[in-house]
Amino acid sequence: KAGVTQTPRYLIKTRGQQVTLSCSPISGHRSVSWYQQTPGQGLQFLFEYFSETQRNKGNFPGRFSGRQFSNSRSEMNVSTLELGDSALYLCASSRWSRSGGNNEQFFGPGTRLTVL
Amino acid sequence: GIQVEQSPPDLILQEGANSTLRCNFSDSVNNLQWFHQNPWGQLINLFYIPSGTKQNGRLSATTVATERYSLLYISSSQTTDSGVYFCAGLDSSYKLIFGSGTRLLVRP
Repeated sequence: KAGVTQTPRYLIKTRGQQVTLSCSPISGHRSVSWYQQTPGQGLQFLFEYFSETQRNKGNFPGRFSGRQFSNSRSEMNVSTLELGDSALYLCASSRWSRSGGNNEQFFGPGTRLTVL
Repeated sequence: GIQVEQSPPDLILQEGANSTLRCNFSDSVNNLQWFHQNPWGQLINLFYIPSGTKQNGRLSATTVATERYSLLYISSSQTTDSGVYFCAGLDSSYKLIFGSGTRLLVRP
């Protein structure tokens, strides 16, 4: 079974530009989450989608947005890039069930974004 | 929200040594997981262990949910075990809350 895939793997942008990152979950997984990892702040939750609905959002400015498609693939967008947005962006998927038995999260390889 | 604390923050071992990494969480969490982050940044799943004990080769983990902690044991460490180990718990809002990690270096 294929794992979580993320594209692109590396990206270099300049301040003020916008960027779109893509994540394809494991087949059958309907929950997709996004995380930002920086040396100073560690791993921080961005948002989580389930069945095309955003269920939760982390403490990030409105420049960070996302969506999920009917095939569970997800994209996140960052507009008006700032130097501080340079980070590793990780996507995770899980099958998810309310009872908790299927909530193990699996991560993709990440997209490393550099803002110049 | 819940907080997750890991100790020690850094650990240096000689190859062949054993180690124990600890994860404390401030409130009830579901779905406690342990990860190893490789040098390229990918988080590799080690254990999904809401409670009890699991073993996988030289690694084992124990979670005592009632006392809000989890332990990761690494036996007969190898240089390939080097990297950063994270524990994380899923809170009630579907957020995976990570600890700050334990950076492990295994010397040959």
